[in-house]
Amino acid sequence: GIQVEQSPPDLILQEGANSTLRCNFSDSVNNLQWFHQNPWGQLINLFYIPSGTKQNGRLSATTVATERYSLLYISSSQTTDSGVYFCAAAPHSGGYQKVTFGIGTKLQVIP
Amino acid sequence: DTAVSQTPKYLVTQMGNDKSIKCEQNLGHDTMYWYKQDSKKFLKIMFSYNNKELIINETVPNRFSPKSPDKAHLNLHINSLELGDSAVYFCASSQGRGQMGNTEAFFGQGTRLTVV
Repeated sequence: GIQVEQSPPDLILQEGANSTLRCNFSDSVNNLQWFHQNPWGQLINLFYIPSGTKQNGRLSATTVATERYSLLYISSSQTTDSGVYFCAAAPHSGGYQKVTFGIGTKLQVIP
Repeated sequence: DTAVSQTPKYLVTQMGNDKSIKCEQNLGHDTMYWYKQDSKKFLKIMFSYNNKELIINETVPNRFSPKSPDKAHLNLHINSLELGDSAVYFCASSQGRGQMGNTEAFFGQGTRLTVV
């Protein structure tokens, strides 16, 4: 199955700093999502982005499908951004494909 | 309105018991999933149903039995619970594109199962 690798595994930021999280995947994809799992355990959809660039407030994401990676940018980080960020992907091939998650990037934003 | 809702949110039970987790989605999606998140936060798919039909069944002990009475509901029944079953179980849904794969998935709030 598809391999999804995320980096870095852990990240500590000072409030107000910017950061980039990376997701590499081993196969071409037709589904690529970024999630934020907050400290209460909720999985919140950030972006559905199998290709291209999207922005939502201080967050933006870019997927370069041909090079098999996606980036999540967090600008002017806030303490509420703390949690685990997951990348999840499903390969572009026939049949029903399961979404495979990376191990996540644990982000801690300190005041 | 909660798009994907699971009940209960917390479940504490003794080894050997049988328990069920319920999931409902009001998004009109035709595909639903169960994921397990272990203590290291790793999320792994267990089952997927499309229009009430089982389409993905990972290597899961057959003590776990999903049931989909209709495409808006997917329940998970677990027999003879073991300590290792303790985890957070997430239900999710998406609109499948038939044989071409899936669209954006939405997750429920999770059920934290603790087996003592």
